[in-house]
Amino acid sequence: EVKLVESGGGLVQPGGSRRLSCVASEFLIRAYWMCWVRQAPGKGLEWVANIKQDGSETYYLDSVKGRFTISRDNAKNTLYLQMSSLRVDDTAVYYCAGGQWGDGDWGQGTLVTVSS
Amino acid sequence: IVMTQSPATLSVSPGERATLSCRASQSVGINLAWYRQRPGQAPRLLIYDASTRVTGIPVRFSGSGSGTDFTLTISGLQSEDLAVYYCQQYYKWPPYTFGQGTKLEIK
Repeated sequence: EVKLVESGGGLVQPGGSRRLSCVASEFLIRAYWMCWVRQAPGKGLEWVANIKQDGSETYYLDSVKGRFTISRDNAKNTLYLQMSSLRVDDTAVYYCAGGQWGDGDWGQGTLVTVSS
Repeated sequence: IVMTQSPATLSVSPGERATLSCRASQSVGINLAWYRQRPGQAPRLLIYDASTRVTGIPVRFSGSGSGTDFTLTISGLQSEDLAVYYCQQYYKWPPYTFGQGTKLEIK
């Protein structure tokens, strides 16, 4: 059974940084685009970023461009999201998912709370 | 591209049919997906290319539409269908945009 497990969430102050990880099992991420999708508490889904199989292409939601960096380590079967200059409105559950737009399997998410 | 779903909440009796709508602010062809998010769970893809069911999704889930107007129909409603349903376009990106969701309640 394919499994994606996110980690790295927690409480961070505005302006701070956080790195999220997503480890895949029974699934080789090197064959797939991967992405991050977030969901603010009680709100809908918002696609954040994606990355090509070899990491040569990355795309971002405008509101996170320049602050977030998606990356991958195919040898470790792990996807990352480095978040900096965090804002209160970045508070959300962050899901990693297979595919360019989330058409693959999803993890259960990790909650990032940005608050002072 | 802005995706608008209606209604915001839908209450349907078990065994009945639920019809959920999604409208795009411009044509997305058939590049439209539907997801289900049960309470406390991650979203799960149900349908892509507007009408193609993901493997394992029951035939009572059907999608239709093209261009700007799309429909997700759930027949023979069951208690397990209680969830929020989202549409998403993947025609023009970034970003891939979702609708705000339709909450399906079981009467």
